[in-house]
Amino acid sequence: EADIYQTPRYLVIGTGKKITLECSQTMGHDKMYWYQQDPGMELHLIHYSYGVNSTEKGDLSSESTVSRIRTEHFPLTLESARPSHTSQYLCASSELYPGAEAFFGQGTRLTVV
Amino acid sequence: AQKITQTQPGMFVQEKEAVTLDCTYDTSDPSYGLFWYKQPSSGEMIFLIYQGSYDQQNATEGRYSLNFQKARKSANLVISASQLGDSAMYFCAMRADMNTGFQKLVFGTGTRLLVSP
Repeated sequence: EADIYQTPRYLVIGTGKKITLECSQTMGHDKMYWYQQDPGMELHLIHYSYGVNSTEKGDLSSESTVSRIRTEHFPLTLESARPSHTSQYLCASSELYPGAEAFFGQGTRLTVV
Repeated sequence: AQKITQTQPGMFVQEKEAVTLDCTYDTSDPSYGLFWYKQPSSGEMIFLIYQGSYDQQNATEGRYSLNFQKARKSANLVISASQLGDSAMYFCAMRADMNTGFQKLVFGTGTRLLVSP
């Protein structure tokens, strides 16, 4: 049973608002990831971290930012939401060894109107 | 750069039959890992099975097995005795650059499986 949590589960917000998507895991994993996924489509890596105070941009350019001040917490922030940000955002974590599976949260479905 | 290709957008199978979902990959790194995930309509990602590039035997987990053909760079998922609950999106993923400090997990475009009674 994965112990990784994302809030909110669903979010509808107006254009221009600042939002933070929360992601927390209780497994002590060093690696954490954020993926963006449009319905029925592939997952695109937008941010990742391999420990406290380390964050990197992923393969898909994103206007979002992330922080990793604590091992268990990896929030994603959009300073000014736009309709093009409408998507599902999935957070994941894994241990450091190469064969470690990634555990995923249930995702946040974001709609910007 | 690493790449995962899933060429089957959708697959249909009857209950109790076996089905194979295709996955090919490309990486220049000799050390890599291949994963399959299931994504039901509820949206969560469920880990199914893992195969390491140096593993001698094909991985199996219950009704799931991975047909790993290294020379062809393929890692097909075989689901035996399909059940209605197997209807979902299935994603193949790869983690390459295994000997470096961070290994990104890259996903394919997915295959939608529909199991009919």
